[in-house]
Amino acid sequence: GQNIDQPTKMTATEGAIVQINCTYQTSGFNGLFWYQQHAGEAPTFLSYNVLDGLEEKGRFSSFLSRSKGYSYLLLKELQMKDSASYLCAVRGGRDYKLSFGAGTTVTVRA
Amino acid sequence: DSGVTQTPKHLITATGQRVTLRCSPRSGDLSVYWYQQSLDQGLQFLIQYYNGEERAKGNILERFSAQQFPDLHSELNLSSLELGDSALYFCASSEGRGPEAFFGQGTRLTVV
Repeated sequence: GQNIDQPTKMTATEGAIVQINCTYQTSGFNGLFWYQQHAGEAPTFLSYNVLDGLEEKGRFSSFLSRSKGYSYLLLKELQMKDSASYLCAVRGGRDYKLSFGAGTTVTVRA
Repeated sequence: DSGVTQTPKHLITATGQRVTLRCSPRSGDLSVYWYQQSLDQGLQFLIQYYNGEERAKGNILERFSAQQFPDLHSELNLSSLELGDSALYFCASSEGRGPEAFFGQGTRLTVV
């Protein structure tokens, strides 16, 4: 099975940087994903890591260490619209099941 | 627009009833995933289909069942509904081995 942990809540100031950590334990691994979800809406894809290292995409970056079962999502130059839940998800080995963590609610304050 | 279509968007029904939720994946996507999200909860994986075959099963209740049809659309059947089944039900699709899954807008089920 898969066990995915991430902090429940984080608060940051507009223009600042926030790092959301995710640790996971999984039988088999075929990628780690980060999604953004605004309340009541569908999750939208942010990033994908399958190899160790940093993937940068504009204001968002994601890092993966497979040996440590660890990832983080870095949000830079925070904007009010970044207030949302951020979901860490892991795709398993054999069955490609995509399992999600409980999500981290980020609140951006002026 | 993700290209994944879920119907209906909203559904209100009484306890003990049965409902069917429908999902049309993105064109060309062979994998369909179903998730349940209760209020302020994370996405709970229910079941996954790949090209018509069940591929993975999560914590799906025996009262729930699903299938994927030859045209690749999928249906999630929920029966003997209870108040606790009230939730957002999301469908997602992917190529299978593709890098991401795309989510539909969800069906909000309210059991009264």
